[in-house]
Amino acid sequence: KAGVTQTPRYLIKTRGQQVTLSCSPISGHRSVSWYQQTPGQGLQFLFEYFSETQRNKGNFPGRFSGRQFSNSRSEMNVSTLELGDSALYLCASSPGGVAYNEQFFGPGTRLTVL
Amino acid sequence: AQSVTQLDSHVSVSEGTPVLLRCNYSSSYSPSLFWYVQHPNKGLQLLLKYTSAATLVKGINGFEAEFKKSETSFHLTKPSAHMSDAAEYFCVVRTGAYSGAGSYQLTFGKGTKLSVIP
Repeated sequence: KAGVTQTPRYLIKTRGQQVTLSCSPISGHRSVSWYQQTPGQGLQFLFEYFSETQRNKGNFPGRFSGRQFSNSRSEMNVSTLELGDSALYLCASSPGGVAYNEQFFGPGTRLTVL
Repeated sequence: AQSVTQLDSHVSVSEGTPVLLRCNYSSSYSPSLFWYVQHPNKGLQLLLKYTSAATLVKGINGFEAEFKKSETSFHLTKPSAHMSDAAEYFCVVRTGAYSGAGSYQLTFGKGTKLSVIP
């Protein structure tokens, strides 16, 4: 089975722009979660989608949003980018949600905001 | 609220010597705990998990961890370090209330960077 894929792998944007990141989960997995990883804050949970519905959300501002399509692929959008949004964004999939015991992570998208 | 604290931000060992990465947790009830590893420019990989079964958990690549409720600890060990073990390791607790829809989330420790000296 192919693993979790994320595109693009690297992205450079300027302050004020918006960005969309994509995640394709493992075939058959219906849950996709997003995490932000920074040197200062570590790994923080953004949100989780299951069957096209957001069912769990972390403590991030409304500029961070996401969606999931019927084929379980997910996109994450960040509007009005700030310098502090520079981070590695990781996507993880699992068969039925975080309640299952393992999440499978993609390689991440490294976003740099100038 | 559940949380994890990784006691060392960086650990350095010689190849062939034991590895100990320390993790303490805080939880108001029996937690589910995990160790993940992240190699440079790679995603996270699950090493092992504790979900209230056996307290000594064996994982991949020779790693194991022991859940000690009295000490609220879940330390990761390996008898003999290999160069390929150099990576960052994360202790993780599953948090949140089960709502019937499986709406948990993972809370990560700050990570421990393991260096292996030849």
